[in-house]
Amino acid sequence: EDQVTQSPEALRLQEGESSSLNCSYTVSGLRGLFWYRQDPGKGPEFLFTLYSAGEEKEKERLKATLTKKESFLHITAPKPEDSATYLCAVQAANSWGKLQFGAGTQVVVTP
Amino acid sequence: EAGVTQFPSHSVIEKGQTVTLRCDPISGHDNLYWYRRVMGKEIKFLLHFVKESKQDESGMPNNRFLAERTGGTYSTLKVQPAELEDSGVYFCASSQSGGHQPQHFGDGTRLSIL
Repeated sequence: EDQVTQSPEALRLQEGESSSLNCSYTVSGLRGLFWYRQDPGKGPEFLFTLYSAGEEKEKERLKATLTKKESFLHITAPKPEDSATYLCAVQAANSWGKLQFGAGTQVVVTP
Repeated sequence: EAGVTQFPSHSVIEKGQTVTLRCDPISGHDNLYWYRRVMGKEIKFLLHFVKESKQDESGMPNNRFLAERTGGTYSTLKVQPAELEDSGVYFCASSQSGGHQPQHFGDGTRLSIL
């Protein structure tokens, strides 16, 4: 059965303190791995799509990488506005497009 | 460009009543998805429309849930009769046609069954 596990569950960072979030997955053929950011009371906001091992994507202070078994979301020199829950989701090659989500990592960045 | 719009944002009903949630996708998006998150759990897939056709409804929990997308535009999700375990946040997402298109989410409907 396809599975997505995110770690840690929660992360508290000082402003400027870089860190990484992990998303481990098992899926019968990966079509894509997606990272989303979610603020309280809002829907998930799309950040990145990764398709194949070795691929990297960057946006401002965020960088996502992908291997055959896991993905990392690196947050470089975070600011308080980076505080959010970060969600990882996989799309299996044999699916019609549905996403399978991990439980998320709640990130709090303090000044 | 307007995003995915969901209505209502909150709904509180009693067990046994009926509730209908609405989703307006981004204009031009053929794919429309429903997901939900129950307390303490991850977001789970419910079903997927391509235009007005149900492509995948493998995540629908039981026959108390009925989704429609008449005319391939907005979609409704009806729960009848509602049970306590149906409480949660229901998200709608839409995407363009073609492989690897990201899904864009609405802010959800928070449903509370008393």
